[in-house]
Amino acid sequence: SYELTQPPSVSVSPGQTARITCSRDDLPDQYVHWYQQKPGQAPVLVIYKDIERPPGIPERFSGYSSGTTVTLTISGVQAEDEADYYCQSGDSTGIYYVFGAGTKVTVL
Amino acid sequence: EVQLVQSGAEVKKPGESLMISCKVSGYSFITHWIGWVRQMPGRGLEWMGVIYPGDSDTRYSPSFQGQVTISADKSINTAYLQWSSLKASDTGMYFCARQSDNYGYFDFWGQGSLVTVSS
Repeated sequence: SYELTQPPSVSVSPGQTARITCSRDDLPDQYVHWYQQKPGQAPVLVIYKDIERPPGIPERFSGYSSGTTVTLTISGVQAEDEADYYCQSGDSTGIYYVFGAGTKVTVL
Repeated sequence: EVQLVQSGAEVKKPGESLMISCKVSGYSFITHWIGWVRQMPGRGLEWMGVIYPGDSDTRYSPSFQGQVTISADKSINTAYLQWSSLKASDTGMYFCARQSDNYGYFDFWGQGSLVTVSS
């Protein structure tokens, strides 16, 4: 089955840059999307189609794709960015989608 | 304003049936896929499947095929997730979400429905 691999956790000091990777086990023929989820809340889309930012999402959130790895970057991390982050992508058919296992971002 | 409002928390016994709902407003229900996502306690998100209310085309993750049924009633702008025989392992939070276009991302989410299955 198709899988996306994320690091379990990332720790970062306020004002620094957090980078969360999402690795696929095949060629990148599908876009990757990113969600932020805070405890007790529904996920929120923060990046779609690798690099696009939805309305209302701060500019400090950005996406980058290179080969089979896609990266979510949070520049100038703030305390409110502490959350779980999930990547999502589709298999080669574009019919089925999967989420990565999630990365917990801790702001020190 | 796009809104997805889900039905409330449920407590069921193993073997019982259940249907939870997701009522949408603020956009044309029949022109966007609606998906369901499971989150078991303390765990990550799992893509269960999607339905296109316009023609009821439905796609399931292989992990959930045969375990649940996704349906929609376009007359009342509501999508459903149904179990015929619940198991304790079905305990979790279930989110509905609107798929924006053909690239699979969910741009609007419901608040979640907590399902607890316990004897």
